[in-house]
Amino acid sequence: DVKVTQSSRYLVKRTGEKVFLECVQDMDHENMFWYRQDPGLGLRLIYFSYDVKMKEKGDIPEGYSVSREKKERFSLILESASTNQTSMYLCASSFLGEEYETQYFGPGTRLLVL
Amino acid sequence: AQSVTQLDSQVPVFEEAPVELRCNYSSSVSVYLFWYVQYPNQGLQLLLKYLSGSTLVKGINGFEAEFNKSQTSFHLRKPSVHISDTAEYFCAVSLEDKIIFGKGTRLHILP
Repeated sequence: DVKVTQSSRYLVKRTGEKVFLECVQDMDHENMFWYRQDPGLGLRLIYFSYDVKMKEKGDIPEGYSVSREKKERFSLILESASTNQTSMYLCASSFLGEEYETQYFGPGTRLLVL
Repeated sequence: AQSVTQLDSQVPVFEEAPVELRCNYSSSVSVYLFWYVQYPNQGLQLLLKYLSGSTLVKGINGFEAEFNKSQTSFHLRKPSVHISDTAEYFCAVSLEDKIIFGKGTRLHILP
């Protein structure tokens, strides 16, 4: 059974803190993605990665960075958390190469920034 | 540019009644289309996808969708909904190695 796990289901942080969200997949997928999900806005792509040490900006990368040191792990970093980063964060992974490859999602991390 | 429009943000429907969730896309090239479902407090999972061939695609949990190229639509249907279908449904279109998601439709099942 395919598995994408995220390090925390719920997280509360203070403004200005550095926040790490971890995502691990066990399917040997090349592609990994970070989205944020907000009511009425659907899913918006923050960053994605095609391979280890590679990263590409998505639609809303400002205020975020990512790290991919190992194939199975993709981390999202909020350098200095702000209240407008309160959101649900979803990680996903897929095989490389085909546009129709299914993305597999983790359960999400609900982040509250106070 | 590709985009996805889900015309209804919320759809209430009585249990055992049929439902249709609407999705329109815009694209200048051939596309792959998806429907994902998000149950409460969970991540998204794939319901079904259209790649090519038959325009009627069957997915999990009794859902199906019909690709209509002339109307650029990919509406999701189920003939009889159950309380367990309560979820948010996302239509999506492929773009290279990324997927563009619609804003979602919340399906409320009424007893």
